[in-house]
Amino acid sequence: EIVLTQSPGTLSLSPGESATLSCRASQSFSSSHLAWYRQTPGQAPRLLIYATSRRATGIPDRFSGSGSGTDFTLTISRLEPEDFAVYFCHQYAGALYTFGQGTKLEIK
Amino acid sequence: QVLLQESGPGLVKPSETLSLTCSVSSGSIKMNYWSWIRQSPGQGLEWIGNIYYSGTTNYNPSLKSRVTISVDPSKNQFSLRLNSVTAADTAVYFCARGQLWNGGLYFDNWGQGTLVTVSA
Repeated sequence: EIVLTQSPGTLSLSPGESATLSCRASQSFSSSHLAWYRQTPGQAPRLLIYATSRRATGIPDRFSGSGSGTDFTLTISRLEPEDFAVYFCHQYAGALYTFGQGTKLEIK
Repeated sequence: QVLLQESGPGLVKPSETLSLTCSVSSGSIKMNYWSWIRQSPGQGLEWIGNIYYSGTTNYNPSLKSRVTISVDPSKNQFSLRLNSVTAADTAVYFCARGQLWNGGLYFDNWGQGTLVTVSA
């Protein structure tokens, strides 16, 4: 099983600032198989990024993803109010899909 | 954008079977992969399993002995059955559409989720 560890657990920033979220895997896998989601309270996760760096339909270019091997990053520039939420990374390599435990992005 | 809606009992007794249905609208269930994912405070997001519209399934090994996912293309629905439930199965259950990318699935459309509580 590939374990994904996200950091930090909580990130406090102000609107307009940039956020850098990390996702580290317990073993290496193809960058084709890493996605990021955003979840607001009471809602389902929404796909932001797939294949490490490809933005999903309707996702603005303020969101960018990068990484390879075991280290992946989601960067959000010019934070807007709706960006303050919980972010999950997800690996879909192999037979068992797993998610990170989440990073909460809160307003400072 | 395809719309998904979960339905089923919100309360299940221990040792009984949890049954949920996901109805797909604004799109066809055919030629796609469909998944169940759950979320509990203690376990975070957990992938339960996938089904292709033709009926081929893949399950999380930790749940495989208790899970059955089925599909009914004529109704544009797919379903989840989880046997012998315990309190540890209490969670919000999501259905989602899987998009195939280089042999793996990411989830591009999700239902709103339904809370299932296991309690006597």
